[in-house]
Amino acid sequence: DGGITQSPKYLFRKEGQNVTLSCEQNLNHDAMYWYRQDPGQGLRLIYYSQIVNDFQKGDIAEGYSVSREKKESFPLTVTSAQKNPTAFYLCASSSGPGSYEQYFGPGTRLTVT
Amino acid sequence: GENVEQHPSTLSVQEGDSAVIKCTYSDSASNYFPWYKQELGKGPQLIIDIRSNVGEKKDQRIAVTLNKTAKHFSLHITETQPEDSAVYFCAASKGSASKIIFGSGTRLSIRP
Repeated sequence: DGGITQSPKYLFRKEGQNVTLSCEQNLNHDAMYWYRQDPGQGLRLIYYSQIVNDFQKGDIAEGYSVSREKKESFPLTVTSAQKNPTAFYLCASSSGPGSYEQYFGPGTRLTVT
Repeated sequence: GENVEQHPSTLSVQEGDSAVIKCTYSDSASNYFPWYKQELGKGPQLIIDIRSNVGEKKDQRIAVTLNKTAKHFSLHITETQPEDSAVYFCAASKGSASKIIFGSGTRLSIRP
């Protein structure tokens, strides 16, 4: 059963703590993305990776970090430097840089108090 | 940079009626316009897309139209059903999946 998995579905953290969100795909896609979704707003790009061991900042990268050590995995760390971390985080993948269509995971809702 | 505006933010229609969601974009170089449907607590799913060399595309009860001159595109859902209730996002891109800009979303409710 191919697709994108994100875990956990809900995550709670105390302010000042770093937290890592998991994203795994078995679609054999080269490119992976992280988006942030806030109520009443569209999706905003945090980071993206078009190939293993390479990634680029999106529009709102401050306070976040990523790694891409394996093709299947693209974890996102929300650091204590992110001023407003509570949000719904979505991971997506596409087959490669030339591919337009993105496939999304089910998302992780992060709440920081 | 590209800016995508989407209207309305909420839409309620009677079951069986049609629903129309409209988007405008700012960058005339944009050439790919996908529409995503997001159900509660889930990730968005691509439902239809259109490229700038096409004016209209249909897939069963959904259709998308594109007016490049006016820089706007629309989603049309006919014979709406309860399962059409969701948040719909339009988006625009100019050549790379890494640069998809999303609209702010429309919450569509279907009244029984």
